[in-house]
Amino acid sequence: GNSVTQMEGPVTLSEEAFLTINCTYTATGYPSLFWYVQYPGEGLQLLLKATKADDKGSNKGFEATYRKETTSFHLEKGSVQVSDSAVYFCALSDRDGNQFYFGTGTSLTVIP
Amino acid sequence: NAGVTQTPKFQVLKTGQSMTLQCAQDMNHNSMYWYRQDPGMGLRLIYYSASEGTTDKGEVPNGYNVSRLNKREFSLRLESAAPSQTSVYFCASSEFNRGNSYEQYFGPGTRLTVT
Repeated sequence: GNSVTQMEGPVTLSEEAFLTINCTYTATGYPSLFWYVQYPGEGLQLLLKATKADDKGSNKGFEATYRKETTSFHLEKGSVQVSDSAVYFCALSDRDGNQFYFGTGTSLTVIP
Repeated sequence: NAGVTQTPKFQVLKTGQSMTLQCAQDMNHNSMYWYRQDPGMGLRLIYYSASEGTTDKGEVPNGYNVSRLNKREFSLRLESAAPSQTSVYFCASSEFNRGNSYEQYFGPGTRLTVT
């Protein structure tokens, strides 16, 4: 079946540090991959996506590359800001179904 | 553009009471979803509706019912609330087409406490 495994948190970084949040997936066929961000008290917002192997999704300085050979979609940012403090969810969408599969979320806190 | 709206934002119920969570989207999406979010467990799908007039169970449907009232609205009903249903509930919508995939858009959530 389909599933997403992401790095356990919480993660605490100093401002301007490099961020990596690991995500690996199991899926049949050719899923699309997503990173969502959830700020305190809000719903999830799409951060970036990639729909086929070797695609790189990017937004607001965040990047993730769809690696089919390692079934991974790691989230990276070169220099985090306090405003990046949030919970980050990796997710996949099965093209043959109508469902999303989410990881458990990774909480990030950036301190000044 | 309102996107996905949910009501109420907060609710406290006593065990055994019933209630309906409302969700509406104005993006003309075919597919709508209900999730619950619990600490350490991410989002779990309760029910979804691929199109108006159809509904299907997700991972955790027990204790819930849904109604796809029209293309815009998708409600979630708790007939007899239990403390295990204390959670944050999110509604989402997407424009799904078989063979492609599209991102889901989420509402702001309903925080439900059952005492």
